[in-house]
Amino acid sequence: DTAVSQTPKYLVTQMGNDKSIKCEQNLGHDTMYWYKQDSKKFLKIMFSYNNKELIINETVPNRFSPKSPDKAHLNLHINSLELGDSAVYFCASSRDGLSGANVLTFGAGSRLTVL
Amino acid sequence: DAKTTQPNSMESNEEEPVHLPCNHSTISGTDYIHWYRQLPSQGPEYVIHGLTSNVNNRMASLAIAEDRKSSTLILHRATLRDAAVYYCILAFSGSARQLTFGSGTQLTVLP
Repeated sequence: DTAVSQTPKYLVTQMGNDKSIKCEQNLGHDTMYWYKQDSKKFLKIMFSYNNKELIINETVPNRFSPKSPDKAHLNLHINSLELGDSAVYFCASSRDGLSGANVLTFGAGSRLTVL
Repeated sequence: DAKTTQPNSMESNEEEPVHLPCNHSTISGTDYIHWYRQLPSQGPEYVIHGLTSNVNNRMASLAIAEDRKSSTLILHRATLRDAAVYYCILAFSGSARQLTFGSGTQLTVLP
């Protein structure tokens, strides 16, 4: 029973298309995150939601729009895909979003390739 | 944000202990020290975290220097499955700005 599950695992699409990546956690956590890992393997936080409310919004193009229908789900929608959006996107969750002792549980990642 | 410095890569022999160092000279009093690892083609995985005292769990031990400006992740008996990128990260309370990953240490375990 996967704690943080992302779909799809792989996504290949053309430039200019719109795509979504879904994330669900069954841990009962209040906070969810999206991270991006580029080809150089750096992991950068993009967004964080706590109880369906946005608490972190890093410098990310507004083509990226997170949506949290409930605290167990955080989906990532990307409009007008560009070549530079190719990366692995990781969803994560944690019990809360404010404590330094916060431990994150990550999903397996969704590899997006934009052609 | 306080930064961490780790060696780019390390090698270890299987079944031997591994000490992965991390420097964080600008750490503040409320920063927690976290370690995560990322196995090939997987998401990051929590390993251990601590604030001031040394910590042990089933995966590893965390030794924190008295001045907290450095820490060491100890894998007591490395296995081939421990080959991964290990990230040392500082996380502070009172802000949602957390878990900024650096470049980590690529650990290679030799059979």
